[in-house]
Amino acid sequence: KQEVTQIPAALSVPEGENLVLNCSFTDSAIYNLQWFRQDPGKGLTSLLLIQSSQREQTSGRLNASLDKSSGRSTLYIAASQPGDSATYLCAVAHNTDKLIFGTGTRLQVFP
Amino acid sequence: KAGVTQTPRYLIKTRGQQVTLSCSPISGHRSVSWYQQTPGQGLQFLFEYFSETQRNKGNFPGRFSGRQFSNSRSEMNVSTLELGDSALYLCASSPTSLLDTQYFGPGTRLTVL
Repeated sequence: KQEVTQIPAALSVPEGENLVLNCSFTDSAIYNLQWFRQDPGKGLTSLLLIQSSQREQTSGRLNASLDKSSGRSTLYIAASQPGDSATYLCAVAHNTDKLIFGTGTRLQVFP
Repeated sequence: KAGVTQTPRYLIKTRGQQVTLSCSPISGHRSVSWYQQTPGQGLQFLFEYFSETQRNKGNFPGRFSGRQFSNSRSEMNVSTLELGDSALYLCASSPTSLLDTQYFGPGTRLTVL
């Protein structure tokens, strides 16, 4: 059974810091992995999608890497800003029949 | 393009009642999936519809059902509501499948009293 874990569960940092959020999955047989952000009480916004054949994806200040063999993905946020405060979720497409979400990392960036 | 819309945004029901939630996907998207989000269980997959057919289903009881119309709009129904059904219900759409980038709506907050 595929399980997805995110560490840390919460993170509070001053503005300007570079951050690394972690996502671990137990079964390396995945199709892809997506990173999302969720603002309080709202839906999810897709940030990056990494196919199983890729090692990383970049979008602006965000960089996501994928190491299938070790069951890990990291989301790197450069020069964090207060507007980055949100919960970050990773989701694994283990089979074609569902997405399995991680537990989330709640990020607070203070000025 | 307009994003995914969900109605209503908030609902309060009592135990035993039933509820119907609606989701309108992004124009051109044919895959619509539904999720339940609670503080204790996180985000859990309910089901996915494609071309008016339920293609995939998560581990939820039969009280949870859905359908999709020819214009790809989808509804989710929960019958005989229980207190534990209180949650944020999210729908997501994508062009063809769960392997595409998923675009989420704002959610419907259901409270069961």
